[in-house]
Amino acid sequence: QSALTQPASVSGSPGQSITISCTGTSSDVGAYNYVSWYQQHPGKAPKLIIYEVNNRPSGVSNRFSGSKSGNTASLTISGLQAEDEADYYCDSFTTSTTWVFGGGTKLTVL
Amino acid sequence: QVQLVESGGGMVQRGGSLRLSCAASGFIFNKYAMYWVRQAPGKGLEWVAYISFDGSRKYYADSVRGRFTVSRDNSKNTLFLQINSLRTEDTAFYYCAKDWSGTYSRDYWGQGTLVSVSS
Repeated sequence: QSALTQPASVSGSPGQSITISCTGTSSDVGAYNYVSWYQQHPGKAPKLIIYEVNNRPSGVSNRFSGSKSGNTASLTISGLQAEDEADYYCDSFTTSTTWVFGGGTKLTVL
Repeated sequence: QVQLVESGGGMVQRGGSLRLSCAASGFIFNKYAMYWVRQAPGKGLEWVAYISFDGSRKYYADSVRGRFTVSRDNSKNTLFLQINSLRTEDTAFYYCAKDWSGTYSRDYWGQGTLVSVSS
């Protein structure tokens, strides 16, 4: 159960777009479309922002979008806003009937 | 509205035990799978355990299998995590979370309860 690989940090200016990658294997990210993304602000519980690769729960801004190619999933945030500054985690269901998170990416809005 | 409230955390010595609880409200508890996820202070998220809506299926992370036991009481809308043989590396905030309609993602989370293991 090795963690999925995410960049430790990304940054962007307000209004710009950024993409966070999440690389796994054919046993997790590549196996199913059960990839989700969570946003976590300091001292708060995680918040679901993307499920099943590219679906947004109601109430989540359409500035957040997800995609997947092979064993790598991606989260794109367009029109960056100051409130987007947070930690982001990907998560995938695996062929072993377990779940694995990425190590997390700290987004800084410059 | 959906609420998940964890309790039962605290300071415990290595080798000790704790039982965490998660009181659920605002949804039909017995229709949803539930999860436990933990986060060591300043670190990332780690999935710990899953239990199906009726408690018939349970899955665990390798790091806790054999020491942790997840259970639920649907008559009391409560989720549990029995933690035995605690190790210092089990020190973390423990969150309970609700499954999002079979998508294997988690749409609601509690605020977490801190388990601190001393040597």
